[in-house]
Amino acid sequence: QQQVKQSPQSLIVQKGGIPIINCAYENTAFDYFPWYQQFPGKGPALLIAIRPDVSEKKEGRFTISFNKSAKQFSLHIMDSQPGDSATYFCAASMNRDDKIIFGKGTRLHILP
Amino acid sequence: DAGVIQSPRHEVTEMGQEVTLRCKPISGHDYLFWYRQTMMRGLELLIYFNNNVPIDDSGMPEDRFSAKMPNASFSTLKIQPSEPRDSAVYFCASNPSSGRQGEAFFGQGTRLTVV
Repeated sequence: QQQVKQSPQSLIVQKGGIPIINCAYENTAFDYFPWYQQFPGKGPALLIAIRPDVSEKKEGRFTISFNKSAKQFSLHIMDSQPGDSATYFCAASMNRDDKIIFGKGTRLHILP
Repeated sequence: DAGVIQSPRHEVTEMGQEVTLRCKPISGHDYLFWYRQTMMRGLELLIYFNNNVPIDDSGMPEDRFSAKMPNASFSTLKIQPSEPRDSAVYFCASNPSSGRQGEAFFGQGTRLTVV
């Protein structure tokens, strides 16, 4: 119930392509869904986040799509660049306890 | 602000030894989280504190692990005795308040190798 399932485990995309990373959750008490980006040797950093009352959020080239009925959400990266190569984590949290549960991560590689 | 500061960055120790990882959260942040990252299990929440008080330690793998937060600017994660399966990257993160739910600021991590 506390898990966030993330796929794929790894992804290789040509520069300019649109990688899509998918996540699913079970616990309907989750009410905040952030995505984190991690470069090698660094800690994860918040990239973009969404609440379940909206179906889409866009920040620059990054877009979250959210399907509340299916309990699924996904990250799309438009016009992907080699500098976007990193590990991406989806996550979920609930206001009542503030802890953040992470998916297992997706290693994304953008080919030049 | 310097961000969340963890030390050491790397630690190599022999099985059975005690290991202490240290964390200085961002000043003014009320929440502090300890995570462990491995290829197999991803990012696992071990324990978190609110205003120096442990709130949830259900992720601590076993009694060999303990964490303390004696004041708002310092926390430790101790493993005693250490085992090879404890090898991982351990992250500390802090969060300013429940108004910034889901927004954790991570340190650079401590890479622990137990041989």
